[in-house]
Amino acid sequence: NAGVTQTPKFQVLKTGQSMTLQCAQDMNHNSMYWYRQDPGMGLRLIYYSASEGTTDKGEVPNGYNVSRLNKREFSLRLESAAPSQTSVYFCASSEVVIQGWNYGYTFGSGTRLTVV
Amino acid sequence: TQLLEQSPQFLSIQEGENLTVYCNSSSVFSSLQWYRQEPGEGPVLLVTVVTGGEVKKLKRLTFQFGDARKDSSLHITAAQPGDTGLYLCAGPRYGGSQGNLIFGKGTKLSVKP
Repeated sequence: NAGVTQTPKFQVLKTGQSMTLQCAQDMNHNSMYWYRQDPGMGLRLIYYSASEGTTDKGEVPNGYNVSRLNKREFSLRLESAAPSQTSVYFCASSEVVIQGWNYGYTFGSGTRLTVV
Repeated sequence: TQLLEQSPQFLSIQEGENLTVYCNSSSVFSSLQWYRQEPGEGPVLLVTVVTGGEVKKLKRLTFQFGDARKDSSLHITAAQPGDTGLYLCAGPRYGGSQGNLIFGKGTKLSVKP
């Protein structure tokens, strides 16, 4: 089915380890996003990419890096994982027409990350 | 600071009951969206409302955007167990580039058979 594919679905890391979360979309959307979802905190934007070749920080970028590899793929890297990064990570994509308006996000099914 | 506050935080009802959940802000939004998230999955877009006072219906779900575009509500008629999930409202971030959304913390709905 068309949509947003995230890998892996589950991951356990030790403190200080690194990993990359992968995201790919096949809807030809220009914009892609990484959010984290924590109990009581809701969805918070980590990084986004308005178009291929551009990336920008969101609300909670510290400890993360991103790469917009091409129009389809947007990866999130944790260089040195910390327990505070235990969360559920969602990638999303959207088609944006003008600032402040988009047709809605299509989300992946998430990566559940535990850092011990 | 833009905030979207959702209430109630939790709601547990019996099948067949009606319910309303709310999304409020002190800020004006150009549009608001509602998503439903089922356990273990990502949120799925239900509707976008763009005009103050607008009402949209999606089967048993009725969405309303406040006249001042600061609030929205979702009413479910004759709830079914399949309606169980986390309901999120979202709106464009001011000054945000390219349609970045901020999300409320959600209303967790449980519909018991």
